[in-house]
Amino acid sequence: SQTIHQWPATLVQPVGSPLSLECTVEGTSNPNLYWYRQAAGRGLQLLFYSVGIGQISSEVPQNLSASRPQDRQFILSSKKLLLSDSGFYLCAWGSTAYEQYFGPGTRLTVT
Amino acid sequence: AQTVTQSQPEMSVQEAETVTLSCTYDTSESNYYLFWYKQPPSRQMILVIRQEAYKQQNATENRFSVNFQKAAKSFSLKISDSQLGDTAMYFCALFQGAQKLVFGQGTRLTINP
Repeated sequence: SQTIHQWPATLVQPVGSPLSLECTVEGTSNPNLYWYRQAAGRGLQLLFYSVGIGQISSEVPQNLSASRPQDRQFILSSKKLLLSDSGFYLCAWGSTAYEQYFGPGTRLTVT
Repeated sequence: AQTVTQSQPEMSVQEAETVTLSCTYDTSESNYYLFWYKQPPSRQMILVIRQEAYKQQNATENRFSVNFQKAAKSFSLKISDSQLGDTAMYFCALFQGAQKLVFGQGTRLTINP
């Protein structure tokens, strides 16, 4: 069966510091991968998606970037965090575009 | 642009009761998918049920069922025999292509003992 991992689970970072969040999927090959952000009490906003290694599409222009160095690895990064980057970050995978399964998430607090 | 609206920010029912969560959406496409996701206090998003727009029959998963009204662009979730473990945020979502799920703002459902 497929499983999806995210780490770290919780992160507190000062403004201006770099960020790296990692997501890996097991039990499948060539998955579609997604990064979402959820602000407190709100719905999810798609940030990036990838349909293959090195293929990244950005949905929202912002302070963040994404990379897919391996088939089942998806990384969310920032060179300098802003206060507005605080939130809950969810990675998701799908074998089809319309069905997505989510990881446990990372709670990021920028101080 | 596609939008998803959940007009009930919070709902509360007693255990074993039936509860219906509302969702309306807007899309110009004829082929799309609709979903209900559950987000318990752990905050992991869990797929509850899926409906393909081309199917007239309403989807059912155990105690969860939907009322899909395509002409009205309405997609409600009914939870029968509600349980304490159903307490969560529930999100309605629309997929119509381009890899993008569009989510509503969510309904916070509390099941009381």
